[in-house]
Amino acid sequence: NAGVTQTPKFQVLKTGQSMTLQCAQDMNHNSMYWYRQDPGMGLRLIYYSASEGTTDKGEVPNGYNVSRLNKREFSLRLESAAPSQTSVYFCASSEEGGNTIYFGEGSWLTVV
Amino acid sequence: AQSVTQPDIHITVSEGASLELRCNYSYGATPYLFWYVQSPGQGLQLLLKYFSGDTLVQGIKGFEAEFKRSQSSFNLRKPSVHWSDAAEYFCAGRYSGAGSYQLTFGKGTKLSVIP
Repeated sequence: NAGVTQTPKFQVLKTGQSMTLQCAQDMNHNSMYWYRQDPGMGLRLIYYSASEGTTDKGEVPNGYNVSRLNKREFSLRLESAAPSQTSVYFCASSEEGGNTIYFGEGSWLTVV
Repeated sequence: AQSVTQPDIHITVSEGASLELRCNYSYGATPYLFWYVQSPGQGLQLLLKYFSGDTLVQGIKGFEAEFKRSQSSFNLRKPSVHWSDAAEYFCAGRYSGAGSYQLTFGKGTKLSVIP
């Protein structure tokens, strides 16, 4: 029972490099989310996908793009990484209009 | 704008003591409210949630929370803390209306437990 799976778990990037964080869920959920977590800031929503085929900006979307590849998968792309994007990234999913959101274990990203 | 506030950044309690973590919300209508726990290096685990009805909500690991509309609060409690409860706790809320997806988190309260 995997739930929400994120890859990679750890990544170090140089400024200006690009990368994609992958996320997959096996709970047949319609809605998926990407959050970032920074010390003292709690979790902030980057983008979400209410259902397959739709994506919307959250609180902190600048510097990121997302793709809802299919119902299971929701990827987050950094086109040109900046040190300010050093953070822990969490993917999550819920039923549509979901009352409970389930989180992956996080991806630690460092941009140097 | 909606917000969730956790006034305490860090709390230290002795093992066996009671615990209360504070959470206040600011929403136009009664939101859905959640408490999550995060152990170091781990993701977030749902402890409990409030949607409507009984204002005292029971969760996992012996935790409970009470929704108080008059105080705009949703405080988390545990009668007797165990060393394994040391973690960071996040209160979160979202609008209860249809089509609402954005979960707003407080900044977290780190709990330390003295053996």
